[in-house]
Amino acid sequence: DQQVKQNSPSLSVQEGRISILNCDYTNSMFDYFLWYKKYPAEGPTFLISISSIKDKNEDGRFTVFLNKSAKHLSLHIVPSQPGDSAVYFCAASGNSGYALNFGKGTSLLVTP
Amino acid sequence: KAGVTQTPRYLIKTRGQQVTLSCSPISGHRSVSWYQQTPGQGLQFLFEYFSETQRNKGNFPGRFSGRQFSNSRSEMNVSTLELGDSALYLCASRIRGLGTGELFFGEGSRLTVL
Repeated sequence: DQQVKQNSPSLSVQEGRISILNCDYTNSMFDYFLWYKKYPAEGPTFLISISSIKDKNEDGRFTVFLNKSAKHLSLHIVPSQPGDSAVYFCAASGNSGYALNFGKGTSLLVTP
Repeated sequence: KAGVTQTPRYLIKTRGQQVTLSCSPISGHRSVSWYQQTPGQGLQFLFEYFSETQRNKGNFPGRFSGRQFSNSRSEMNVSTLELGDSALYLCASRIRGLGTGELFFGEGSRLTVL
């Protein structure tokens, strides 16, 4: 049962434009959300996170928005750069804090 | 400081064999968790260890097991390998066993079962 869903397997964006990656979750007990980026042949690396007490968190070119009522979060990358081309995973954790529930990932391609 | 180290990076096994994967967490990190990544399922949680105790286990059969040593290093074992066990196995560490600490991942062990 996939509790974190990334419904777009892939996304292509031109360099300099905005990339918007979406994520939906079903478990209302999730209270912490993270985005990880993964290049081929490497492990995922942490990008940005947001707690359920906030609706926005910003770090440089990356901003994560959380809409708790819709159980939806999104990652905005502005401006997009070719080096951002990677697979992006959305993840969520709940009260137990032990495990991260990951989505299946969205492959982002930023073209020059 | 050194990151999460996983060995071996690549291995090939045949059905019915067993395999042991090793993970050395970042120094000072006491929590180690394991994830399986496959193209169709994304990253799926296997189990997490904190202070040598398994704190949580994902929805995997008993053929998948693990342990953590007193120095926080961890191993996972898969017995009676099946073709479907072919995957990238990722180890991740964090400082605490609870809460919202960020996970730091290793590069993974790529297992191919023939």
